[in-house]
Amino acid sequence: DVKVTQSSRYLVKRTGEKVFLECVQDMDHENMFWYRQDPGLGLRLIYFSYDVKMKEKGDIPEGYSVSREKKERFSLILESASTNQTSMYLCASSSYRGFGGDTIYFGEGSWLTVV
Amino acid sequence: AQTVTQSQPEMSVQEAETVTLSCTYDTSESDYYLFWYKQPPSRQMILVIRQEAYKQQNATENRFSVNFQKAAKSFSLKISDSQLGDAAMYFCAYESQGAQKLVFGQGTRLTINP
Repeated sequence: DVKVTQSSRYLVKRTGEKVFLECVQDMDHENMFWYRQDPGLGLRLIYFSYDVKMKEKGDIPEGYSVSREKKERFSLILESASTNQTSMYLCASSSYRGFGGDTIYFGEGSWLTVV
Repeated sequence: AQTVTQSQPEMSVQEAETVTLSCTYDTSESDYYLFWYKQPPSRQMILVIRQEAYKQQNATENRFSVNFQKAAKSFSLKISDSQLGDAAMYFCAYESQGAQKLVFGQGTRLTINP
């Protein structure tokens, strides 16, 4: 079974702190994603990576950065956390076959509260 | 940009009954993929069903089936013989061909009444 593991399920951080959310997948997937999930808004893509050291901005990249130094690991960084970044963050991965339609596998989510 | 709309924030159904969740999308593309994902409480989101836009036949996976109306840009999910384990948030999602990433709707929370 594919496993996408997010290292922290629940975090509470202070405004202005630098926050790291870590994600690891064990299926040698090329693609990795960070989504943010908010009630009434669904999931919105923050960043997407299709290869090591490659990244692409999603729909809401402001205030976030990412790092992918190894194929299995994709980190989301909040440079200076703000209260409007309180949310659930979902990491996901998928294989790349060129034409799309592949299943995306999700982690359990990280609940971040910024106070 | 493509958008996906789920107009039913919440739905409920009696156990063993049938329920239909609605989804509409906006696109100018002719080739794409549509998905329904299920997010059970405190558990990982999983794929329920997938539809390729070039296929006229509606996808089916056991008790789950879709009604894909390409001209109307509608993609509803029908759950037959609802079970307590079907209680979850359901998300409709769109993928442009080759895009490798999904656009999600707002979600519908489904409650199953015993």
